[in-house]
Amino acid sequence: ETGVTQSPTHLIKTRGQQVTLRCSSQSGHNTVSWYQQALGQGPQFIFQYYREEENGRGNFPPRFSGLQFPNYSSELNVNALELDDSALYLCASSLVGQGGIQYFGAGTRLSVL
Amino acid sequence: AQSVSQHNHHVILSEAASLELGCNYSYGGTVNLFWYVQYPGQHLQLLLKYFSGDPLVKGIKGFEAEFIKSKFSFNLRKPSVQWSDTAEYFCAVNQIKAAGNKLTFGGGTRVLVKP
Repeated sequence: ETGVTQSPTHLIKTRGQQVTLRCSSQSGHNTVSWYQQALGQGPQFIFQYYREEENGRGNFPPRFSGLQFPNYSSELNVNALELDDSALYLCASSLVGQGGIQYFGAGTRLSVL
Repeated sequence: AQSVSQHNHHVILSEAASLELGCNYSYGGTVNLFWYVQYPGQHLQLLLKYFSGDPLVKGIKGFEAEFIKSKFSFNLRKPSVQWSDTAEYFCAVNQIKAAGNKLTFGGGTRVLVKP
């Protein structure tokens, strides 16, 4: 167990809807990152939050947005869902100064119909 | 942009066979390197990491990896696999000077160990 928990585990939405995924970081970790893992591929970096501010973003459109809260929990919001957004969404927490080691949650499986 | 490639998508081998998984990355600057493993139904777990120093690093469960800077490679090895090593293996790279602490992952290699 990594101590990183994500909810919900599975979610089904229809095209055009909005979705919010949640993550609780490992105790003591001040950085949270979100990744998208499409079927048969490696995780792709969406963005990272540090001290409640975005601290790096991958090649994802603005309809992917996030929040980090003072207790270091986090949300990933996706607006105007598209079929290609169907994937496993992974949250990872880390501590600045640990060389990039990240601890992953089990993920949320999102299906867009 | 940084990219990571893993040479094999699928590997099938028998117990006690040796395993080597290839990983190459594109970035020429300073990097930290990782191998993560995902067992069926479980979350990604850190297998081993390389930051600096001895280019041969040892991880959990008998795995080791060798960093060859001149080849931009970080190959994973295990001398004798067990059925429980059946999993998907991901190589990942962290660029030291990039904004944020992101990991760039390879596409993964599915390893099936037959009993």
